[in-house]
Parts: sequence; C-alpha cells; structure tokens
Amino acid sequence: AQTVTQSQPEMSVQEAETVTLSCTYDTSENNYYLFWYKQPPSRQMILVIRQEAYKQQNATENRFSVNFQKAAKSFSLKISDSQLGDTAMYFCAFMKFTTGNQFYFGTGTSLTVIP
Amino acid sequence: KAGVTQTPRYLIKTRGQQVTLSCSPISGHRSVSWYQQTPGQGLQFLFEYFSETQRNKGNFPGRFSGRQFSNSRSEMNVSTLELGDSALYLCASSPEGRRTSGNTIYFGEGSWLTVV
Repeated sequence: AQTVTQSQPEMSVQEAETVTLSCTYDTSENNYYLFWYKQPPSRQMILVIRQEAYKQQNATENRFSVNFQKAAKSFSLKISDSQLGDTAMYFCAFMKFTTGNQFYFGTGTSLTVIP
Repeated sequence: KAGVTQTPRYLIKTRGQQVTLSCSPISGHRSVSWYQQTPGQGLQFLFEYFSETQRNKGNFPGRFSGRQFSNSRSEMNVSTLELGDSALYLCASSPEGRRTSGNTIYFGEGSWLTVV
C-alpha cells in the first residue's frame, strides 16, 4: 500500500519570503510519479509541479522547486518569492507508474502568505 | 478548450436517497477518475474509468458506483445516502490510457453534496 504523509497542517510565510512544505511517502514501487497540487478556496485542484522517480534531477517550475530524496522517500516543495496568490491548501500526491491514473494524496498543508 | 465540467455544482439530499453526479472530461480525454474530499478523511480515490471500463477502484462500499459512456462522460452514483457521504466530489480527466505523462491530468471544480 502507498501512504503519503504531510506533517505540517498549517504554515505561514511573509510575502516575498521562501517557504518549504514537507512530504514523505511510503511505497515498495521503484518507478512512480510525485506531485504537488494546490487547492485554492475555489477548490479546483491545480498542478504545481511533478517529479518522475526515475529522474535524479529535481523538478523546477518558475518559483516552485522540489527536493526529491528517493532513498529517504522525501519530496518537499520550496516556494520562493511567495505571493499572496500562493495562499491555498497544498497536497502532496503519489501515483504508481503502471496502473492508471490513481492518486494517493497526503492530508494537505494550509499555506497562508502574509502581506 | 473547455475544462473538466462537473454537474451539479451543489446539491442537498436527504438521508436514504440516491444521487447521481456527472463529469464531462476535456475533449479527447478517455480516462476519468473520481475522488471524495472530506475534512476528516481528506482526498480519497473512488474509481477510474477508461474507455467505458472500470480500471481501478478504491476502498468504498458498493453504494458507490460509476460508469462511463462512449463519449467519455462519466457518472457516479451513491445510493442510500448517509450523513457521512457529505463531501466534495472531484472528477479528473486525462487523455492517456496507459499513463505516460503525469502532468496531463486535470481536475474539475467538484460537486458539493450535502446529506441532511
């Protein structure tokens, strides 16, 4: 079974500062995908960034980057130059490589960007 | 290109009733997945359909069922509603059958179900 753990229920950051959200996971799979999704008050899930487990290079997407540590089963999200629009719930998610489009989600981290 | 469309957006049902939610995927997408989101249980996978066949199923009772039509539109049905079924139900669509690119999965805005 796959489990995803987000140990920080709530976090806050000053506008323009940097914040890191933590995520750990447990799996016996060797190939898989990891994702960070953002869910603003509208509740629509928006992809922030994804990482293929077979790639050693950490994914980056503009102000968002990840620190992927496969051996430690850790997948943290760093948000640089935080903006007010980054205020949202952030979910870490795991997907197996081979069995369709099924996410295993963490419990989420509520991020508030303070002006 | 239209996004994933879920209807209805909000509905209120009485315990014991049944409900049907609809999801129209992005044009060309053949995979549709459903998730239940509650404050207590978080986001949980219900099932996935691809080309009218259920490919994956989560750990939900048989009261939860779904189907997919030839145009890829999907419906999920919950029978004998319980208070605990109150949740946001999210639909996600993707073009691929065999997943080759995890970043082509798009979510709808969800259907809010309240059971009273």
